[in-house]
Amino acid sequence: DQQVKQNSPSLSVQEGRISILNCDYTNSMFDYFLWYKKYPAEGPTFLISISSIKDKNEDGRFTVFLNKSAKHLSLHIVPSQPGDSAVYFCAASDRGSRLTFGEGTQLTVNP
Amino acid sequence: GAVVSQHPSWVICKSGTSVKIECRSLDFQATTMFWYRQFPKQSLMLMATSNEGSKATYEQGVEKDKFLINHASLTLSTLTVTSAHPEDSSFYICSAREGRQRTDTQYFGPGTRLTVL
Repeated sequence: DQQVKQNSPSLSVQEGRISILNCDYTNSMFDYFLWYKKYPAEGPTFLISISSIKDKNEDGRFTVFLNKSAKHLSLHIVPSQPGDSAVYFCAASDRGSRLTFGEGTQLTVNP
Repeated sequence: GAVVSQHPSWVICKSGTSVKIECRSLDFQATTMFWYRQFPKQSLMLMATSNEGSKATYEQGVEKDKFLINHASLTLSTLTVTSAHPEDSSFYICSAREGRQRTDTQYFGPGTRLTVL
């Protein structure tokens, strides 16, 4: 069963606008969440994380929101830039080191 | 930032042969390394976790005799796919973590594309 789901395989936005990437999870034991970005032919790179004790974490243009009751998190990128075009993975972990990943969302930022 | 390399970046082999993939942390010592595989349009699936100097911990459904993992040093882990078959064709990615806390960042390698004919 897919415990972390990214229902949108792709998203296209205009440069300068906001990109919102969504992620849902089913395992209530997850308490730490991360977003990774992946360019072609490269490994995923860590972007931002959030602990379940928070509902928001911000780092520059990137903000992650966590809604525990809905088991939903989202990544906001504002303003979006063409260099942000990549595949974005959300991931979650429980008490162990294991990361469970979503399927990824391809973000395309058009100039 | 921390760099993790993988070698080879791609490999094609005949069915029944064994293939070794290396994962190296270039500028830090990795107490823990992870091996993932990814099928097209699917998420990264954790195969196993290895701590330097000890046996790897395999995820449910991953055959430990087929996917041999060795983490002999703090900068090198290897994954050997033994007696490879076409269904083992996949994208294999390793990650490395310097600290022991689960919130310590995992740094990923670029991946290895394995094709078994």
